[in-house]
Amino acid sequence: EVQLVESGGGLVQPGRSLKLSCVASGFTFSNYGMNWIRQAPGKGLEWVAYISSGSSYIYYAETVKGRFTISRDNAKNTLYLQMTSLRSEDTALYYCARGDGYYDYWGQGVMVTVSS
Amino acid sequence: DVVLTQTPVSLSVTLGDQASISCRSSQSLEYSDGYTYLEWYLQKPGQSPQLLIYEVSNRFSGVPDRFIGSGSGTDFTLKISRVEPEDLGVYYCFQATHDPWTFGGGTKLELK
Repeated sequence: EVQLVESGGGLVQPGRSLKLSCVASGFTFSNYGMNWIRQAPGKGLEWVAYISSGSSYIYYAETVKGRFTISRDNAKNTLYLQMTSLRSEDTALYYCARGDGYYDYWGQGVMVTVSS
Repeated sequence: DVVLTQTPVSLSVTLGDQASISCRSSQSLEYSDGYTYLEWYLQKPGQSPQLLIYEVSNRFSGVPDRFIGSGSGTDFTLKISRVEPEDLGVYYCFQATHDPWTFGGGTKLELK
């Protein structure tokens, strides 16, 4: 069974950093591109970042470019999102999702709250 | 950035009715490889989104055939024939043709 489990969220002050993790199981992690997608409270979905299976291709939404870094460790079956210079508008539920063009499996999400 | 405009924002239906959701793109979503990377997702209350349709009209594994995706270029439609209780929630279109990839604003399907 495919599982994606996010962790690392919490309450953080504006301007600070936070690192999210997503541990994958039930499939060959190194064969798939991975993504982070977020949802602000009561709002729609926003794609955040993508990383290809071998980390050769990385893309970001304009709203996070230069502040967030997506990475992965295929030996540990883990996806990461390093978030710096956090802003109140980054407050959201962050999902990791498997896929290179479409997202067939999603985690349950991890909440990040940016507030003083 | 590509803007996906979904209409209506909210749709009230009776169980057994047909529902139709439109997704219009600010640019053609046909990629240079000939494929169109337009997808549809459903987010049920309190759940993570789930994939329904990829590449305009391909149903994902396990998705009932009452879900039908169609369209080309900039205009796309998701039709749900015979709406059932488990179909209620928010539907999102999504494009992965142009970087940055973008979601539509969502359409909430609810009971009349």
